[in-house]
Amino acid sequence: QQQVKQSPQSLIVQKGGISIINCAYENTAFDYFPWYQQFPGKGPALLIAIRPDVSEKKEGRFTISFNKSAKQFSLHIMDSQPGDSATYFCAASGRVGANNLFFGTGTRLTVIP
Amino acid sequence: EADIYQTPRYLVIGTGKKITLECSQTMGHDKMYWYQQDPGMELHLIHYSYGVNSTEKGDLSSESTVSRIRTEHFPLTLESARPSHTSQYLCASSGWSSGELFFGEGSRLTVL
Repeated sequence: QQQVKQSPQSLIVQKGGISIINCAYENTAFDYFPWYQQFPGKGPALLIAIRPDVSEKKEGRFTISFNKSAKQFSLHIMDSQPGDSATYFCAASGRVGANNLFFGTGTRLTVIP
Repeated sequence: EADIYQTPRYLVIGTGKKITLECSQTMGHDKMYWYQQDPGMELHLIHYSYGVNSTEKGDLSSESTVSRIRTEHFPLTLESARPSHTSQYLCASSGWSSGELFFGEGSRLTVL
């Protein structure tokens, strides 16, 4: 059973546009929601993370929006650049540092010049 | 830049062979993990360790085994590889209280 559902599977955005990736979960015990970025041939790397006590977290051009009642969270990439082209994974776990992080299926983002 | 290394990066072997995927980290992290990643699929945890002599199975059943004799080293072994084991295997580590996973670049295994 998939713990975290992610969409879309792939996304093509023009340079300067906004990229939006959505995730949904069912387990109300989840308490930590990170996003990982993976470039081809590399392992995933933490991009940004949020706890459910806030509805939004922003770091540079990257923003997580969190809707606790809907059990949804999303990643917004403002002013998307070709260098942002990568696969993005949302994830969730019961707490920070928990042994198991449940990942979404990934979104392959392509930013075209 | 995270200091976690995996070897080999790519491996093509025949059915029935024994293989070991190596993973080492120089960050002194107690917690280490093995994830399996298939294209278009989520990463699945197959093994984890909280420290030396500690190993546990993850949520995805795997015929592989792991060992943790040294803090920095967490190898994964398949005694008899099969085509169904073809996948990318990602090793990761984290600090005790931090939620951030540091991943290696992966070992892509193909079993013919």
